[in-house]
Parts: sequence; structure tokens; C-alpha cells
Amino acid sequence: SQQGEEDPQALSIQEGENATMNCSYKTSINNLQWYRQNSGRGLVHLILIRSNEREKHSGRLRVTLDTSKKSSSLLITASRAADTASYFCATARKDFGNEKLTFGTGTRLTIIP
Amino acid sequence: EPEVTQTPSHQVTQMGQEVILRCVPISNHLYFYWYRQILGQKVEFLVSFYNNEISEKSEIFDDQFSVERPDGSNFTLKIRSTKLEDSAMYFCASSERAAEAFFGQGTRLTVV
Repeated sequence: SQQGEEDPQALSIQEGENATMNCSYKTSINNLQWYRQNSGRGLVHLILIRSNEREKHSGRLRVTLDTSKKSSSLLITASRAADTASYFCATARKDFGNEKLTFGTGTRLTIIP
Repeated sequence: EPEVTQTPSHQVTQMGQEVILRCVPISNHLYFYWYRQILGQKVEFLVSFYNNEISEKSEIFDDQFSVERPDGSNFTLKIRSTKLEDSAMYFCASSERAAEAFFGQGTRLTVV
């Protein structure tokens, strides 16, 4: 499998429920970032978690990082119809200076009103 | 709020033609990137640029591709002789330091 794989590939839940998406990666990382992409649109940065952090919150978002398992999860609480989008994790390697992002394959989240 | 802007939003070109995709990064950012996303697939890294030179490029970024920062604000991606498989969404990104990249809305390139 490739660096940065999300599961599930697709997720449909009722509005108001919580949505959890997972991401696994293979190499050492400096940080892991989550992005949202509405259909055919640009990438919106959601949250960044560094390799020495285990959990981070931003509004209705909660991200965890387990570097021993090389995995991360994104939890969206109290989902809304506007949360319908694709969600990607992206890892920055343990490099110094310029850090490219390696994206996962994404989870397509659909919130049913 | 500062943002990365890309033009055009959609470009249709004939196979074999040259295209230039334009980006205006956030003004105080020092690191610049191009990524692409073929329809329905993952976002792929093409090239990173810092201090007026390429710092890293992927195997996708072959001799047909080039990047330039012609002035203090623009960052361009040129594809010299487009192929059908170059059809994709191209994203420009910039970052103030080597983390937390901000992406533009993308240019959808269609090669016919």
C-alpha cells in the first residue's frame, strides 16, 4: 500500500452523527495534515498535527496521531450537510527545509440530511 | 484573509500545445509547490521551489515541465507539449515555512 491511505474510502452518515476517518502511512513523518476538498474544488487545510503531538482539536474536529502505529484519525462531531466532501490526509516527511506533502487516497464523506 | 490564486480556472488545449498555468502565492511565503490530481485520483506532488530554484521534483515532473518565478509575485508551471494524460486539476500551494501549505482553487487542464 502507499504512503497515506485513508479508510474507509467512502462513508455515509446521518446529519448529527459523528464521522471518523482513518489514515495510515509508512515512513517517518514530521507532521500530518488533514485537508477537505469539495467536489471539483481546491484543497482546504483543516488541521496539522506534529509528530510529537498525540491529539489536537479545532472546533468540531479532533485529530489523533499514533506514530507507533503510523496512523491518524479525523473525527468530525455533530456532522452537518456542509461537511459533505472528500477528506485527505497528507504527510510531511522527517526532512528539514522544504517539505513536500504526500497525500492519501481520500475518504468521500456524505452527510445525509 | 490572504489566499493563493490560480489562473485560469479552466484551460482547454490541443495535444502538443504549450500551456502555462499561473499562480500568485501568499505574499510572505517562501516555499512554493505544484501538485496535480487526475480526476478521481489522489493528489500527487510535482515540484517544490525555494530560493529561486527547484528543491525537489517527482518522476512525473519530466523534461516537458518547467517552473518559473518570473517576478516577485507569480509562480508558473509550463507544460511544453501537452499529452492527453496531462489532463488533470493542477494545484499551486505555498507555505511560509516548511509546513502547513495553503492551496489555490486549482486549474482544470483538459487536453483534447
